[in-house]
Amino acid sequence: AQKVTQAQTEISVVEKEDVTLDCVYETRDTTYYLFWYKQPPSGELVFLIRRNSFDEQNEISGRYSWNFQKSTSSFNFTITASQVVDSAVYFCALSDVSSGSARQLTFGSGTQLTVLP
Amino acid sequence: KAGVTQTPRYLIKTRGQQVTLSCSPISGHRSVSWYQQTPGQGLQFLFEYFSETQRNKGNFPGRFSGRQFSNSRSEMNVSTLELGDSALYLCASSPEQQSRTDTQYFGPGTRLTVL
Repeated sequence: AQKVTQAQTEISVVEKEDVTLDCVYETRDTTYYLFWYKQPPSGELVFLIRRNSFDEQNEISGRYSWNFQKSTSSFNFTITASQVVDSAVYFCALSDVSSGSARQLTFGSGTQLTVLP
Repeated sequence: KAGVTQTPRYLIKTRGQQVTLSCSPISGHRSVSWYQQTPGQGLQFLFEYFSETQRNKGNFPGRFSGRQFSNSRSEMNVSTLELGDSALYLCASSPEQQSRTDTQYFGPGTRLTVL
């Protein structure tokens, strides 16, 4: 069965610091998709990125970057020069064939990021 | 384009009652999924609908049901409410352009409190 582990429950940083959120996944499938979502206090899950299992290229989008390593089953997320507005809960998620649908996401438990001014 | 909308945003019910939550997907999106979020269990998949048919179901009791209409709008129903059903219920829609590459876009959720 698939599983996503976010070992960091809470992280607190001071504004402008860099911060990395860890995500480790388990799946028996060779085809799968990894996602990161942000959940601000309003509750809505905001999509950040999707990665498929065949594309190990790292990605950068502004202050955000993602490091996908199949060898360690990790998909880590780094925020550079963090800002107070980055404060939220961040979820890593996985979808694969064995879950029955590409639209059934298995979520990690989330990491609460607090950026202090 | 308008995002996923969910109504109502907040709901208070008592044990034993039933409740219906509504979700309108992003225009053009044909797949709708529902998730339950609680502090103890986290985010868990409930079910997914496409073309008015339930395509996939998570590990929840039969008290949880749903349906999808021809305009892709979806409702979920919980009967005989229990205290443990208190949660944030999130709806997500995806375009269904390619079955393996869809990204789900979430609504703001309905916060259900069972007293």
